[in-house]
Amino acid sequence: GQQLNQSPQSMFIQEGEDVSMNCTSSSIFNTWLWYKQDPGEGPVLLIALYKAGELTSNGRLTAQFGITRKDSFLNISASIPSDVGIYFCAGNSGGSNYKLTFGKGTLLTVNP
Amino acid sequence: DGGITQSPKYLFRKEGQNVTLSCEQNLNHDAMYWYRQDPGQGLRLIYYSQIVNDFQKGDIAEGYSVSREKKESFPLTVTSAQKNPTAFYLCASSIYTGTGYSPLHFGNGTRLTVT
Repeated sequence: GQQLNQSPQSMFIQEGEDVSMNCTSSSIFNTWLWYKQDPGEGPVLLIALYKAGELTSNGRLTAQFGITRKDSFLNISASIPSDVGIYFCAGNSGGSNYKLTFGKGTLLTVNP
Repeated sequence: DGGITQSPKYLFRKEGQNVTLSCEQNLNHDAMYWYRQDPGQGLRLIYYSQIVNDFQKGDIAEGYSVSREKKESFPLTVTSAQKNPTAFYLCASSIYTGTGYSPLHFGNGTRLTVT
């Protein structure tokens, strides 16, 4: 099946620093999504990308859909303590159903 | 408020017992999904349903069963055949937009512990 490699697995940063994480796929995706999960909660959608090369921002978050359609990255600028959580990438290769393949997540810790 | 309600939040069962996890949505979404999450792992798809009275197996369906008798409800039964049922279970839904499905909207999960 499809696989997503998400890196890094975890990050420990100081408040105010910028963060970058990425996902690569063994196959082409038509949609890339980035979610954030707080402890004990469900993932919440941060950014959705639908076109190769697309660069989209949501506040301090910026994500890009790679032009090869096999990768995506998420940047967080000027991190704050509430950015703590697990960030997941997810991809969909299209078709009549809608099945997402998820990366294993990046655990972000922000030290105040 | 529209959303997905999963209940209960925490569930404890003895090994060998079947258990059913509830998922209800009032978003009028067409498709519903069940994912399993284990520590340090991504989300793995158990079952999904795009219309009432129809559902498909995901990547790890063995030991699980579902039903979709109503559009707003998609309960998951973890049977005694599931070898390692202790996990965090997430329900999600999505609406068909005419050209495709919207990104998944998730509930807040049920943590199942089987001893």
